[in-house]
Amino acid sequence: AQTVTQSQPEMSVQEAETVTLSCTYDTSESDYYLFWYKQPPSRQMILVIRQEAYKQQNATENRFSVNFQKAAKSFSLKISDSQLGDAAMYFCAYRSWGSGTYKYIFGTGTRLKVLA
Amino acid sequence: DTEVTQTPKHLVMGMTNKKSLKCEQHMGHRAMYWYKQKAKKPPELMFVYSYEKLSINESVPSRFSPECPNSSLLNLHLHALQPEDSALYLCASSLRRGRITEAFFGQGTRLTVV
Repeated sequence: AQTVTQSQPEMSVQEAETVTLSCTYDTSESDYYLFWYKQPPSRQMILVIRQEAYKQQNATENRFSVNFQKAAKSFSLKISDSQLGDAAMYFCAYRSWGSGTYKYIFGTGTRLKVLA
Repeated sequence: DTEVTQTPKHLVMGMTNKKSLKCEQHMGHRAMYWYKQKAKKPPELMFVYSYEKLSINESVPSRFSPECPNSSLLNLHLHALQPEDSALYLCASSLRRGRITEAFFGQGTRLTVV
């Protein structure tokens, strides 16, 4: 069975600085998706970034980028130029590749605080 | 339209009440999910419907009864709940044109059982 581990329950960053959130996972599959979701106090889970395991290139979305190390089973999220609106709970998630699979396996989350 | 809409946003119900949560999406997604989320915890999968058929039931107690009337709607019927069922209930959808996309989530229903 797949597992996702986020070892940082809480992180803080100064506004405009850079922060990296860690995620490791365990799987025997070779093809899969990895995601970072953000959940602000408004409660809605919002997709931040997605990575397909077969792609060697790290995904980027504006100020958000990942460091995907497939062999090490590591998937960290880097947030550059942090903004107050980035404060939220961040969940790392895994999903198998197959078209018949629907389960998202979530890590326990990292609460990010942004200090003004 | 990239929204998943959940109603109501808040619900307080007694242990003998019957209520329903509603979820709606118009993105053409053919998989819809119910998750339960306790405070400061990740979402826990409850049910998955794909092509309007129940494909995953994560051993959820029968006091939770899902229903998928059509490809855009997902309901969760609640009956005889316990206080420990108080949580945020999230709906999500994915799967478009046979390809699984990332899950889009609604804002959730905050349920309190008294």
